[in-house]
Amino acid sequence: QKEVEQNSGPLSVPEGAIASLNCTYSDRGSQSFFWYRQYSGKSPELIMFIYSNGDKEDGRFTAQLNKASQYVSLLIRDSQPSDSATYLCAVKLSFGNEKLTFGTGTRLTIIP
Amino acid sequence: KAGVTQTPRYLIKTRGQQVTLSCSPISGHRSVSWYQQTPGQGLQFLFEYFSETQRNKGNFPGRFSGRQFSNSRSEMNVSTLELGDSALYLCASSSLGSWGGYNEQFFGPGTRLTVL
Repeated sequence: QKEVEQNSGPLSVPEGAIASLNCTYSDRGSQSFFWYRQYSGKSPELIMFIYSNGDKEDGRFTAQLNKASQYVSLLIRDSQPSDSATYLCAVKLSFGNEKLTFGTGTRLTIIP
Repeated sequence: KAGVTQTPRYLIKTRGQQVTLSCSPISGHRSVSWYQQTPGQGLQFLFEYFSETQRNKGNFPGRFSGRQFSNSRSEMNVSTLELGDSALYLCASSSLGSWGGYNEQFFGPGTRLTVL
């Protein structure tokens, strides 16, 4: 079992709709969870992060954690063509360990 | 505030050679992590440095090494290059939070290494 798993997609969503991205992790002790966006040929860009104590909303983006089922989700409301990218989920095991373990990413395409 | 910078942006080397990549973190960030990204394996953690000390290391052979200087700038070195080392090498930096843990990591633009 991979430590962090994501559906590779591609996931196609109409413009204006909600895009839902999911990620499962294997280590129950994981403390913090990150979503990065990566455009083709570019480096990952941090979108949101949450800790094990709760969900978070920032503009059109909401990150949610389900600790019991060990998955993290990212919701993108009012999807825009500029949201088309690969979304990487990353998990940090503990606050003292800076290692990020990444999923393979989900490719999202917003259809105008 | 300037972001993470990496040099060079592109490198072409041949098998058996060695290469040194450089990373300058965001001002005030003392933790620097290195990652390798390939189409087949995705993003994989190489190592992390803080205050000139390697604190964590990923599952890479000893050909991959790094160091950090007193100004937090970091270098990574790959010796005896193999074809499979062709990848995007990413550096990320983070700062110490007021709550005692580390804040989120910000990535540099990466160095694209091609081994022929």
